[in-house]
Amino acid sequence: AQKVTQAQTEISVVEKEDVTLDCVYETRDTTYYLFWYKQPPSGELVFLIRRNSFDEQNEISGRYSWNFQKSTSSFNFTITASQVVDSAVYFCALSEPSGYYKLSFGAGTTVTVRA
Amino acid sequence: GAVVSQHPSRVICKSGTSVKIECRSLDFQATTMFWYRQFPKKSLMLMATSNEGSKATYEQGVEKDKFLINHASLTLSTLTVTSAHPEDSSFYICSAITADGGDSPLHFGNGTRLTVT
Repeated sequence: AQKVTQAQTEISVVEKEDVTLDCVYETRDTTYYLFWYKQPPSGELVFLIRRNSFDEQNEISGRYSWNFQKSTSSFNFTITASQVVDSAVYFCALSEPSGYYKLSFGAGTTVTVRA
Repeated sequence: GAVVSQHPSRVICKSGTSVKIECRSLDFQATTMFWYRQFPKKSLMLMATSNEGSKATYEQGVEKDKFLINHASLTLSTLTVTSAHPEDSSFYICSAITADGGDSPLHFGNGTRLTVT
């Protein structure tokens, strides 16, 4: 069965601190996609990254970086030098076997960055 | 970039009435759209897959007669919550797939917050 676990419910940091969000997934598929989305208080889902199961290269985009480790079924996300605007709920998601864009979402991690 | 528009963004209705939520792909055609439901401070749960010109595919546990989905054109899917009750109060989000691929072929609407009184 598909399952995405985000063990951290809430994280609170002070501005400029780094914050790492954990994501562990379960799937029997050999080909799948992993996603991270940001949901600010306004509610819309902002796409951050998509990674396919064959690409284990780590990725950096500005202050964001992702560490994909297939051996541990983890796809962790780090925000470096956090800012108040980073305050949001962050979701990790996994594609369903029946369709790469039917997503199973983790429970989400609420990040609060204090000035 | 591809835009998915959801309407209304907020709706309050009385118990027993029906509410229709629209999901439109504004600048692309979407043969497939998805409907998600999000309870307060909870994750998104996939409700159904909406296919243009055919019946929607519902996830286990989602009542088909309660949540009517119609995908009558390549740019519009609607979700109707029939005979709404307070427990149907939730945040409903749709998503659509663009055919142009890239890193972000899946586009989400801004969501509809439904409150049933």
